[in-house]
Amino acid sequence: GNSVTQMEGPVTLSEEAFLTINCTYTATGYPSLFWYVQYPGEGLQLLLKATKADDKGSNKGFEATYRKETTSFHLEKGSVQVSDSAVYFCALSINAGGTSYGKLTFGQGTILTVHP
Amino acid sequence: DADVTQTPRNRITKTGKRIMLECSQTKGHDRMYWYRQDPGLGLRLIYYSFDVKDINKGEISDGYSVSRQAQAKFSLSLESAIPNQTALYFCATSDYRVTDTQYFGPGTRLTVL
Repeated sequence: GNSVTQMEGPVTLSEEAFLTINCTYTATGYPSLFWYVQYPGEGLQLLLKATKADDKGSNKGFEATYRKETTSFHLEKGSVQVSDSAVYFCALSINAGGTSYGKLTFGQGTILTVHP
Repeated sequence: DADVTQTPRNRITKTGKRIMLECSQTKGHDRMYWYRQDPGLGLRLIYYSFDVKDINKGEISDGYSVSRQAQAKFSLSLESAIPNQTALYFCATSDYRVTDTQYFGPGTRLTVL
């Protein structure tokens, strides 16, 4: 079956520190990969995505590269801010039969806290 | 106004009670989903609907039922609530043309005593 594994949190950083949140996956077929972010008291929102191997997704200073050889999609940011404090979810979806199925499989989430 | 709304936002109920959580969307999307979120487990899919007449079970559908009253409305029911259904529940929508990007509501925090 399909699964997503994220590094365990919580992660606590000082402002302007470098961030890496690891994500690896197991999938049958060719998945699209995503990072969603959940700010306190809100629903999830898409942060970035990549749909094929070697693609790099980026948004708001965050980046992740789809690595098929290591089945990974690690999230990185060069300089975090207090406003980046949130829960980050890695997820995948499988395109089945040439049409987009749309069902997401999520990792367990990683809590990030950034201190001033 | 939010594109995906959920009501109620918080609910406390007792074991054995019937509960309905409602989701409405103004995005015009055909696909809608219900998830539950538990600490350390991420989000798990309960039910999903590709249109009004197409409803499918997700990975944890036992103890839940759904109704797609219209393209814009998708309700989740707990017929007889139990304490281990205490969780944060999210509704989400997607467009069939870009189905892998989902848009989430703000969530309903349900506590079953």
